Amino acid sequence: DIQMTQSPFSLSASVGDRVTITCRASQSISNYLNWYQQKPGKAPKLLIYAASILQSGVPSRFSGSGSGTDFTLTISSLQPEDFATYYCQQSYSTPLTFGGGSKMDI
Amino acid sequence: QVQLVESGGGVVRPGGSLRLSCAASGFSFSTYAMHWVRQAPGKGLEWVAVISSDGYDKFYADSVKGRFTISRDNSKNSLYLQMTSLRAEDTAVYYCAKTPVLYCGGGRCYSDYGMDVWGQGTTVTVSS
Repeated sequence: DIQMTQSPFSLSASVGDRVTITCRASQSISNYLNWYQQKPGKAPKLLIYAASILQSGVPSRFSGSGSGTDFTLTISSLQPEDFATYYCQQSYSTPLTFGGGSKMDI
Repeated sequence: QVQLVESGGGVVRPGGSLRLSCAASGFSFSTYAMHWVRQAPGKGLEWVAVISSDGYDKFYADSVKGRFTISRDNSKNSLYLQMTSLRAEDTAVYYCAKTPVLYCGGGRCYSDYGMDVWGQGTTVTVSS
């Protein structure tokens, strides 16, 4: 199975900050990497798929990059509504796997 | 609007069974692959199973293989998860989610899309 490792596990940031979350796969997954945002008590929301394609309706301050084993999610200027937990997920091969999550708070 | 609504969660004793349902609306259900994903209390997301749009291909996480069965009824726009031999570690919120494209072959499935719509989840508690 492909293991997905996210860092940091948690981070504190402020409104307006530029933030980067990283995700590493245990083997090459090309660009089959997706990012999700989850707020407490809510279902996850797809932000980015295929490593860098912004899902419809997602603000342009979110961006993704990477290929192979190393990927990043960047939020260019944090907004109050961005404080949440972020997950990466590989869709290269079943069993599909998620990273452990990166919790962002103030 | 596009919507997924899960139901069927509840409290069940270890070793028991439960059937979850996911009702889809607002999109052409029969053309989408569907997933079940779960989240144990205070923990991260865990993929459980996927089924292709025609129901032919099904894949499972190792943790549920042989105990859970994913199925769908395209005539009813519904997805199901039959869970048997339940364990305490199956306690979680269970979400259904859709994927626009799923390619299956060679003993695996993959997709260059994410899970773009999720339900609100249904809670399963396995406890004596």
